[in-house]
Amino acid sequence: AQTVTQSQPEMSVQEAETVTLSCTYDTSESDYYLFWYKQPPSRQMILVIRQEAYKQQNATENRFSVNFQKAAKSFSLKISDSQLGDAAMYFCAYRSAHNQGGKLIFGQGTELSVKP
Amino acid sequence: EAGVTQSPTHLIKTSAQQATLRCSPISGHTSVYWYQQALGLGLQFLLWYDEGEERNRGNFPPRFSGRQFPNYSSELNVNALELEDSALYLCASSYGGELVNYGYTFGSGTRLTVV
Repeated sequence: AQTVTQSQPEMSVQEAETVTLSCTYDTSESDYYLFWYKQPPSRQMILVIRQEAYKQQNATENRFSVNFQKAAKSFSLKISDSQLGDAAMYFCAYRSAHNQGGKLIFGQGTELSVKP
Repeated sequence: EAGVTQSPTHLIKTSAQQATLRCSPISGHTSVYWYQQALGLGLQFLLWYDEGEERNRGNFPPRFSGRQFPNYSSELNVNALELEDSALYLCASSYGGELVNYGYTFGSGTRLTVV
């Protein structure tokens, strides 16, 4: 069975600085997708970025980028130029490309606070 | 475009009662997913419906059940409520088939409290 681990329950960053959130996963599959979701106090989960396992190039979305290390099964999220609105719970998630449809397996989450 | 809508926002029940939670997906989405987010825990996969059929089920007892209607909206029913069922229940929707690879859209959840 696949598992996702986020080893940092809480992180803090100064406004305008850069922060990296860690995520590792365990799987025996070669085809899968990885996601980072953000959950602000409004509770709605918002997709931040996605990565296809077959792509070596790291995904980027504006200030958000990932460091995908397939062999190490690592998928960290880097937030550049942090803003107050980035404060939220961040979840890393895994989805198999086979048989399990859209089921996502989530990590425990990292709560990010941004200091002005 | 309207997002994924869930109702009610909050629900308070007593032990042994039944709870019904509702979810309306984004127009055009045929798949609906239910997740439980208990306090201090990550999101746990509950159920996946696609085209009216239950496609996958998480490790939850049978008193957690649901259905998907012809208009793709969905209900989650929790029977014989227990205190441990208190959680935020999130619904998400996506297109079917390979388009699910683009991730899916979540609603804002129903906060169920069992007293």
